[in-house]
Amino acid sequence: DTAVSQTPKYLVTQMGNDKSIKCEQNLGHDTMYWYKQDSKKFLKIMFSYNNKELIINETVPNRFSPKSPDKAHLNLHINSLELGDSAVYFCASSQVNFNEQFFGPGTRLTVL
Amino acid sequence: KNEVEQSPQNLTAQEGEFITINCSYSVGISALHWLQQHPGGGIVSLFMLSSGKKKHGRLIATINIQEKHSSLHITASHPRDSAVYICAVRSSGGSNYKLTFGKGTLLTVNP
Repeated sequence: DTAVSQTPKYLVTQMGNDKSIKCEQNLGHDTMYWYKQDSKKFLKIMFSYNNKELIINETVPNRFSPKSPDKAHLNLHINSLELGDSAVYFCASSQVNFNEQFFGPGTRLTVL
Repeated sequence: KNEVEQSPQNLTAQEGEFITINCSYSVGISALHWLQQHPGGGIVSLFMLSSGKKKHGRLIATINIQEKHSSLHITASHPRDSAVYICAVRSSGGSNYKLTFGKGTLLTVNP
């Protein structure tokens, strides 16, 4: 199936740990994104990559480091996890920068 | 004040009713998105528009660029339309675009 997939779907970890979330799209899109949805369900853009190059980094702590090994993948690595990092993280892709978005299913991160 | 304001925050309707959700924004935009987030959490793009009106099935989206306002209409609403509807605007940030979201409207359609 053509889609945007994320792994894992759920991630529970202790404060201070380092974790990664993987994202893959097989839609042939040029642009990929990471969004954070907080406990109040408010969505916010974190990063945007176009053809493996970082386009947007929206005031995200440098503990968050996106990595795009190729156009189809955009992984999110988080160092020294904090309680406030608990949220749902959505990966998305689009053909052109911020055109119609195709979202992954989300990764619910819980930091204890 | 958020750059993107949605109203109402919560909306309860009876099956069959005509629904309107509003979105106002305060920045110059190049496009506006309407998204639907299902109770299970998945997000689906409904519309992207920069002028006029778009229709898909029972859903209609309109935008008035001069008034900085968009509406999402649902005709003959159904319980399966129950979801959070999110407005997002694409604006220019220097040489790049960015997407700014409203806080969403929770729609509940009762049978």
